Amino acid sequence: DTGVSQDPRHKITKRGQNVTFRCDPISEHNRLYWYRQTLGQGPEFLTYFQNEAQLEKSRLLSDRFSAERPKGSFSTLEIQRTEQGDSAMYLCASSSGRHTEAFFGQGTRLTVV
Amino acid sequence: AQSVTQLDSQVPVFEEAPVELRCNYSSSVSVYLFWYVQYPNQGLQLLLKYLSGSTLVKGINGFEAEFNKSQTSFHLRKPSVHISDTAEYFCAVTTNQAGTALIFGKGTTLSVSS
Repeated sequence: DTGVSQDPRHKITKRGQNVTFRCDPISEHNRLYWYRQTLGQGPEFLTYFQNEAQLEKSRLLSDRFSAERPKGSFSTLEIQRTEQGDSAMYLCASSSGRHTEAFFGQGTRLTVV
Repeated sequence: AQSVTQLDSQVPVFEEAPVELRCNYSSSVSVYLFWYVQYPNQGLQLLLKYLSGSTLVKGINGFEAEFNKSQTSFHLRKPSVHISDTAEYFCAVTTNQAGTALIFGKGTTLSVSS
């Protein structure tokens, strides 16, 4: 098991462009989380899947953000019409249950110029 | 919805001194509580967790935390810190209700100096 992997690790994009990030969770983990982390802050919850169902979305997740987890395996997070304020580290985590450890990927660092 | 507050943004201590990092949570139902650590330029990893049972839980690297339901707290402690404990520490909460997410606090920077 290689852990949670995220791709790409770094993304630089121009303001107004769309970007898509991918997360591959640990196999057999049914829970998958997306977080955003800025310098000096804790992970801010964005959204959460249990299998393929998106169960909760933060109000931080504006209409420009969308996430999917087809077939309950990998997940994608898309940001449309990026803004400079979207610059952050986007973290993905997976777990096998509410009471178990969430394993984090290394994150995708987005820079919007 | 559940939430968590970490009361100290920065905690500077000298090596071999004891340390306590404070965490308070809010929830209307039973909670599961976690402490994660993030070393510089590394990902988050679990230090310890409270699910039920004994209110004193022990984790890796000599850390322990005590769950206090009446004070809605889950403070992290270590009796003697090392330089290598310098890191960001995050308290996180979820509940025993189906469909609730794992929510993190803003973090506490522990800086250990000699």
